Amino acid sequence: EAGVAQSPRYKIIEKRQSVAFWCNPISGHATLYWYQQILGQGPKLLIQFQNNGVVDDSQLPKDRFSAERLKGVDSTLKIQPAKLEDSAVYLCASSKAGTSTDTQYFGPGTRLTVL
Amino acid sequence: AQSVAQPEDQVNVAEGNPLTVKCTYSVSGNPYLFWYVQYPNRGLQFLLKYITGDNLVKGSYGFEAEFNKSQTSFHLKKPSALVSDSALYFCAVRAEYNQGGKLIFGQGTELSVKP
Repeated sequence: EAGVAQSPRYKIIEKRQSVAFWCNPISGHATLYWYQQILGQGPKLLIQFQNNGVVDDSQLPKDRFSAERLKGVDSTLKIQPAKLEDSAVYLCASSKAGTSTDTQYFGPGTRLTVL
Repeated sequence: AQSVAQPEDQVNVAEGNPLTVKCTYSVSGNPYLFWYVQYPNRGLQFLLKYITGDNLVKGSYGFEAEFNKSQTSFHLKKPSALVSDSALYFCAVRAEYNQGGKLIFGQGTELSVKP
């Protein structure tokens, strides 16, 4: 079974530029999560999708971050404009049904550096 | 509010010795608890979870964890450490009522196993 795929793996941009990350979850997984992991911290949820609907985006900085999951499969996370404090690893995860006992499986992440 | 504490930033163990990585949690209602491992430049890899039942949970790569409700702890253990176990370990919690919701992660513990 293929795991969660993410691209790119690394991205370096200047502040105020825009950037987009892509995620392909495990086949058949209905729930998709984007987490932000700042160096030295645990991952923090940015947004959760159930199929193509948003379940939780309470910690997404909506003035600069946006995400979509068209057709309930792949997802993209965009930052526009980027700030220095957005430097982090962006992790995508998926789970089968999104229930409270479900295991989330993570992709390799995209390491973003904002200069 | 849900929270997780990993009181040790780093744990050092000699190869062949037992290891323990500590985790305590705070959640309303019954907790669902997870351990993940992160190798350099990799995403989080699922090790094990506690949902209900036996307090001792066995997981991947010889790891196990013990759920202690009275002490609100979920320590990760392994009887005999390997150098290849050196990595960053994260404990996470989700409340039973939080259907499909986000995982709350600790800040991580760096495990270093020396030959």
